[in-house]
Amino acid sequence: DTAVSQTPKYLVTQMGNDKSIKCEQNLGHDTMYWYKQDSKKFLKIMFSYNNKELIINETVPNRFSPKSPDKAHLNLHINSLELGDSAVYFCASSQVSRRFYANTGELFFGEGSRLTVL
Amino acid sequence: GDSVTQMEGPVTLSEEAFLTINCTYTATGYPSLFWYVQYPGEGLQLLLKATKADDKGSNKGFEATYRKETTSFHLEKGSVQVSDSAVYFCALSGTGGGADGLTFGKGTHLIIQP
Repeated sequence: DTAVSQTPKYLVTQMGNDKSIKCEQNLGHDTMYWYKQDSKKFLKIMFSYNNKELIINETVPNRFSPKSPDKAHLNLHINSLELGDSAVYFCASSQVSRRFYANTGELFFGEGSRLTVL
Repeated sequence: GDSVTQMEGPVTLSEEAFLTINCTYTATGYPSLFWYVQYPGEGLQLLLKATKADDKGSNKGFEATYRKETTSFHLEKGSVQVSDSAVYFCALSGTGGGADGLTFGKGTHLIIQP
């Protein structure tokens, strides 16, 4: 079983469209993330959720809206797509230590969703 | 804020050569340090980690030592193989606590030639 799975793996769409990427983890983790990887491989965190609560919301256009229906799922919806949104989007999960409320462990990543906006 | 600096690539080596990829960091507190590897078309996988000063992480022949005095976590391997060709990311955990994920360096593309 894949630990962190995201769909679709590839997405090609026109400017102005709305699209969603789904992510599910079966590791029992309480924290999930979305990262964006640009064409130069640079990774930047976009959002994190801990037990369905939004924790991090980096400077991301409000066209991007994450939704976490439960702690095993974190979906990313993007409105009015622009050319600059073309990238690979990675979902990840981890378990945050309840005792220290710190992330001392690894992140488990999905295989990525390559979004191409034409 | 926290940051990670690693040598830019691509780094091209011949098979069986010695590898060093430099990584230095800036952080408040005492972060955990990681090396992740990304093979073509795949997501990131943890390669090794160290959670406190002087710890050495190791896996698949790769090693890195957490050096607090030089704020470094350089990745080394004694004899690289073609299959090691990938992008390598140095990262640190957030020291602010909570679900703040990892801060990544810009990645180093490693190319091993037969």
